[in-house]
Amino acid sequence: DVKVTQSSRYLVKRTGEKVFLECVQDMDHENMFWYRQDPGLGLRLIYFSYDVKMKEKGDIPEGYSVSREKKERFSLILESASTNQTSMYLCASSTPGLAVGNEQFFGPGTRLTVL
Amino acid sequence: DQQVKQNSPSLSVQEGRISILNCDYTNSMFDYFLWYKKYPAEGPTFLISISSIKDKNEDGRFTVFLNKSAKHLSLHIVPSQPGDSAVYFCAASAVVNTNAGKSTFGDGTTLTVKP
Repeated sequence: DVKVTQSSRYLVKRTGEKVFLECVQDMDHENMFWYRQDPGLGLRLIYFSYDVKMKEKGDIPEGYSVSREKKERFSLILESASTNQTSMYLCASSTPGLAVGNEQFFGPGTRLTVL
Repeated sequence: DQQVKQNSPSLSVQEGRISILNCDYTNSMFDYFLWYKKYPAEGPTFLISISSIKDKNEDGRFTVFLNKSAKHLSLHIVPSQPGDSAVYFCAASAVVNTNAGKSTFGDGTTLTVKP
């Protein structure tokens, strides 16, 4: 059974804290993604990576950074958390190549609250 | 500019009837479309997809229709069941996009199927 796991289901942090969200996939996928989901705004892509140590900005990268040191792990970093980063964060992975329509497999999400 | 739009935030149908969820896109480079279903407190899961060389794809109770000239696709669920109650996301991707595997998501439509 394929799996994408995220380090925490719920997280509460204070403004200004550095926050790490971890994502691990066991499917040997090259592509990994970080999204945030907000009411009325759908899924918005923050960053993605298509290989180890490779990363590209998505649609809303401001205030975030990422790290991909190993193929199976993709970390999202909030350098200095702010209240407008309170959201549901979803990690996903997929296979690459010609079949760009390949489905993405999502983790269960991390509900982050920044006070 | 939102490239994938789901104009109906919510839809309510009776059990046994047809559910029709709609999605419009603006980018003519999109050539692969996917539907995902998301239950509360879970990550989205892939439901069904369609390539732009087709106009229909069917999988059990789920059928996706694509009208390329209108840049419109729809997901039909027949018959609808209470377990289908979830948020449905439309997503689109483009083969020519060098960032293979990246999809653009709509805002989602919340489907409620009443017993």
